[in-house]
Amino acid sequence: DTGVSQDPRHKITKRGQNVTFRCDPISEHNRLYWYRQTLGQGPEFLTYFQNEAQLEKSRLLSDRFSAERPKGSFSTLEIQRTEQGDSAMYLCASRGQGLYEQYFGPGTRLTVT
Amino acid sequence: GDSVTQMEGPVTLSEEAFLTINCTYTATGYPSLFWYVQYPGEGLQLLLKATKADDKGSNKGFEATYRKETTSFHLEKGSVQVSDSAVYFCALSPSDFNKFYFGSGTKLNVKP
Repeated sequence: DTGVSQDPRHKITKRGQNVTFRCDPISEHNRLYWYRQTLGQGPEFLTYFQNEAQLEKSRLLSDRFSAERPKGSFSTLEIQRTEQGDSAMYLCASRGQGLYEQYFGPGTRLTVT
Repeated sequence: GDSVTQMEGPVTLSEEAFLTINCTYTATGYPSLFWYVQYPGEGLQLLLKATKADDKGSNKGFEATYRKETTSFHLEKGSVQVSDSAVYFCALSPSDFNKFYFGSGTKLNVKP
């Protein structure tokens, strides 16, 4: 059990550029979650996968955001045409069958200049 | 909708002092409740959980009891250490566990 990993840990991009983040969950966990955390706030839910199926999306996930989990293992979160308001920490979490808790990765900090 | 409210920080205590961080929630059905801790530069780590009313979660000297009658899940520790300095998040998960709702976090500073 190596924990949830995220890549990159930091990303600085210019407004209008596209960015993609990757999350590798704990290997036996079939549920994967994305959250966004801004400074001084708790994480806010973005979307949820069970295996490869995206089962729920928050209203926070505008049309510029898309998430995939093509083989039910790792997941990617893409933000198109980034805006300064997208600057935040993007957190990934996973949960295994029969478990109540989610396990979080270290996050990807996005800065849009 | 479901939500969590926790006391604002920062909370500053001297080492060995008693800690309480208040957390109340609003939810339909029977949620599970959690406390997560975030140390500087690190991700969120599960501290403790309670999955039904009157359950007490405990870990590393921290405790919290799921009180349905007061919709609360207050975090307590009898004697804090400098190493407990971190941000603490209260969270709830509805019965389908499809998402967590987090409070805004409470920063704890423990001075030697």
